[in-house]
Formats: sequence, C-alpha cells, structure tokens
Amino acid sequence: DAEITQSPRHKITETGRQVTLACHQTWNHNNMFWYRQDLGHGLRLIHYSYGVQDTNKGEVSDGYSVSRSNTEDLPLTLESAASSQTSVYFCASSGGQGNTDTQYFGPGTRLTVL
Amino acid sequence: QKEVEQNSGPLSVPEGAIASLNCTYSDRGSQSFFWYRQYSGKSPELIMSIYSNGDKEDGRFTAQLNKASQYVSLLIRDSQPSDSATYLCAASGAGSYQLTFGKGTKLSVIP
Repeated sequence: DAEITQSPRHKITETGRQVTLACHQTWNHNNMFWYRQDLGHGLRLIHYSYGVQDTNKGEVSDGYSVSRSNTEDLPLTLESAASSQTSVYFCASSGGQGNTDTQYFGPGTRLTVL
Repeated sequence: QKEVEQNSGPLSVPEGAIASLNCTYSDRGSQSFFWYRQYSGKSPELIMSIYSNGDKEDGRFTAQLNKASQYVSLLIRDSQPSDSATYLCAASGAGSYQLTFGKGTKLSVIP
C-alpha cells in the first residue's frame, strides 16, 4: 500500500546542531509539505514543493531548508537548531489523480531541542 | 493574511447526540475545504472534503459549505466516544495546493 513515512519519530538534539528530518512517500505525489504543530498555533507551513527541484518558503521558514531531488523525498533541515524549534513536525503530500489538493499526512516527528 | 477560524472548544456532547463543528475562512478565492480528525499524539486524518455549496454526506458525517457566508461546518450524527478528538478545518488558496488550517476544535463525547 502507498504510504508516507517520517523518520526519526522522536529526536532529541542540542542547540546549534544541524538536524535533518526525513519524509518519504510512495504515492508518486508531486506536492509535498512540511508543517510544525505547536499548542496555540495549530499547523503552520514551513516549506513546500510542487515537484523535483522546486521548493518554496511557507509561513515559518526561517531556520529551515528543504531540497527535492526526487519525487518521493522531501527532507527538512534545521541548519542550527534552536529551542524555539522544539515542536512536532508533520510531512504531507498531495497530487493524486482527481484529488490534487487533498493532503495526506505522515505520522510526525517529535523534536526536542535542549 | 489568509485565515481559518474555529472555536477551540472543548465541545462536549453526550453519546448519541449530534456534534456540530463550525469554521469560517477569510479568502473568498478558496475553492476546496477539508475536515481532518486528529487524535492526541497522532497525525491529522482526512474525514471529508467539500468543493461545492450545499451538503455532502458520508456515513455519520455531513459537511456543509456556504461560500457566500464563507462558512464550513461538520455534523457528526450519533456521536460515539471514539469521535473524541480535535477536528481541523482547512481551506485551499485560489489556484494553490497549499492549505490553511484552523487551530482546531476539541470534541469530547461523553458516554
């Protein structure tokens, strides 16, 4: 079955370290998205991609970067982790036939920055 | 700034009752609307999508859309304790695949 996976599911890191969160989907979706979810803020868009080599900034992109070298993967990199980046991160994808804007979410990564 | 507003709740309903969840959106160009359910500690799960004015039914769930009033709602009939979750409303931008999410309404179904 097609799916979207994220790894690691939990990560603890220290301030200043570079961290990469992986997202992999097997739906062959063109569109991929990264969100963070914090109490009181809901889901906020970090970066998104509409295809290979395409990346775009979302609402809260400062301190994050993404790259899209193939259809299946959109890794999210925190260049220098900060305590304010402690959050739950969700990857989503969309672009299926007939439902191009319906987003399906991965299981999430809980990141703690100490 | 595109916004989707929801009452944060908690909304408490007795088992078997109808739960009514509401959402308003600011972008008149939004074309697609979604309801997601999110259990504590889990990822959002799509319940329904709606694109046209009126009602759309799927089992115990009915989504309602009124574009003139910029209003979307979700009715859950015969509510069950397993429906207890946070419900997220989302709207797409005009000509965009991005979704703007509301902060969610927490629903508690009391046995």
